[in-house]
Amino acid sequence: AQSVSQHNHHVILSEAASLELGCNYSYGGTVNLFWYVQYPGQHLQLLLKYFSGDPLVKGIKGFEAEFIKSKFSFNLRKPSVQWSDTAEYFCAVKANTNAGKSTFGDGTTLTVKP
Amino acid sequence: EAQVTQNPRYLITVTGKKLTVTCSQNMNHEYMSWYRQDPGLGLRQIYYSMNVEVTDKGDVPEGYKVSRKEKRNFPLILESPSPNQTSLYFCASSPRTSTDTQYFGPGTRLTVL
Repeated sequence: AQSVSQHNHHVILSEAASLELGCNYSYGGTVNLFWYVQYPGQHLQLLLKYFSGDPLVKGIKGFEAEFIKSKFSFNLRKPSVQWSDTAEYFCAVKANTNAGKSTFGDGTTLTVKP
Repeated sequence: EAQVTQNPRYLITVTGKKLTVTCSQNMNHEYMSWYRQDPGLGLRQIYYSMNVEVTDKGDVPEGYKVSRKEKRNFPLILESPSPNQTSLYFCASSPRTSTDTQYFGPGTRLTVL
């Protein structure tokens, strides 16, 4: 069975601070990894995803994530956060062998203080 | 506009009264899924469907039913709702494969008294 663990449940930062949100997954086979974001009052939307190739992937709004296979990790980063990044962030995994099953982490609430 | 719609957006009901939450997508996606979101538990998958007439259980299917008679619709049925099904429900769709992005609906906030 696959599982996802997000280490930080609530992160509070000041504007311009750097961000790193941890995500570790558990699965024995090949996976596809996603970060989704839910801004207040809005739908969940994709930030970025990794399925093959360069393990450093870039997404929207200056976010990036690095897939480290040996550590089963897919941490999300942003060098300088803005107040508008205040949102809830979810890491998710889908296994190649079961495209239907989708597992999300518990989510991290990010609050950016102006 | 490409979108996933859910109805109703808000619902307060009583224990045991059958209800259906509808989900519809206009993107011709093969894959659809239902999730519930609870504080501290993230999103948990209830059921998913890889195509018409093909459905499968997610991690928390107990107390729920689904059907996929048409490609665009994927209703979630609670035959006998209980208070522990009070939650925020999301429907999502994607083209098909495991690398595809999921597109989410706006959510349905359900309260079961």
